[in-house]
Amino acid sequence: DAGVIQSPRHEVTEMGQEVTLRCKPISGHDYLFWYRQTMMRGLELLIYFNNNVPIDDSGMPEDRFSAKMPNASFSTLKIQPSEPRDSAVYFCASSSTSLYSYEQYFGPGTRLTVT
Amino acid sequence: AQSVTQLGSHVSVSEGALVLLRCNYSSSVPPYLFWYVQYPNQGLQLLLKYTSAATLVKGINGFEAEFKKSETSFHLTKPSAHMSDAAEYFCAVSDRTGGFKTIFGAGTRLFVKA
Repeated sequence: DAGVIQSPRHEVTEMGQEVTLRCKPISGHDYLFWYRQTMMRGLELLIYFNNNVPIDDSGMPEDRFSAKMPNASFSTLKIQPSEPRDSAVYFCASSSTSLYSYEQYFGPGTRLTVT
Repeated sequence: AQSVTQLGSHVSVSEGALVLLRCNYSSSVPPYLFWYVQYPNQGLQLLLKYTSAATLVKGINGFEAEFKKSETSFHLTKPSAHMSDAAEYFCAVSDRTGGFKTIFGAGTRLFVKA
């Protein structure tokens, strides 16, 4: 099992540019989560999907952030335009109804730096 | 509403000493409880979980945790610390009736001294 795959692993961009983060969940998992981790705010849930449908996006900081899941094996998190305060590590995680106990499997993260 | 409180943002122990990381939760319904570990530059990985079976739960790398409903606690322990245990540890809670949304604590960084 390849685990959750995220790309890129590192992204450096200038303020105002569009940034797209990508995630491939574990095959067969029907839940997908996007988190942001910073020193100041810890681990924050941004949005999660069930069967490709967004269930809760209350953690998305503002309209500059958007997430999509066009199919069961791919999701994107887009920031447009990016700002320095968006600098963080972004994690994707997946889970499965069949697990019953809701544990999540995390990807390695994308470290985003906005200058 | 659910919440998780981890007592102590940093814990330092000597190699071979007992590890104790504290976690208290709040949940209006019987919870699922988890401990995750994060090594530098990696994602979180599941250490152990409580799902209403045995209250003493054993996980990977010699860690265990005990669910105490009366104290609303789920503290993580390991009898003898190893240098490789140095990492950040997160306690988390899920509401079984609320789907898969999981609330994570702020994390506790464990330092292990030689």
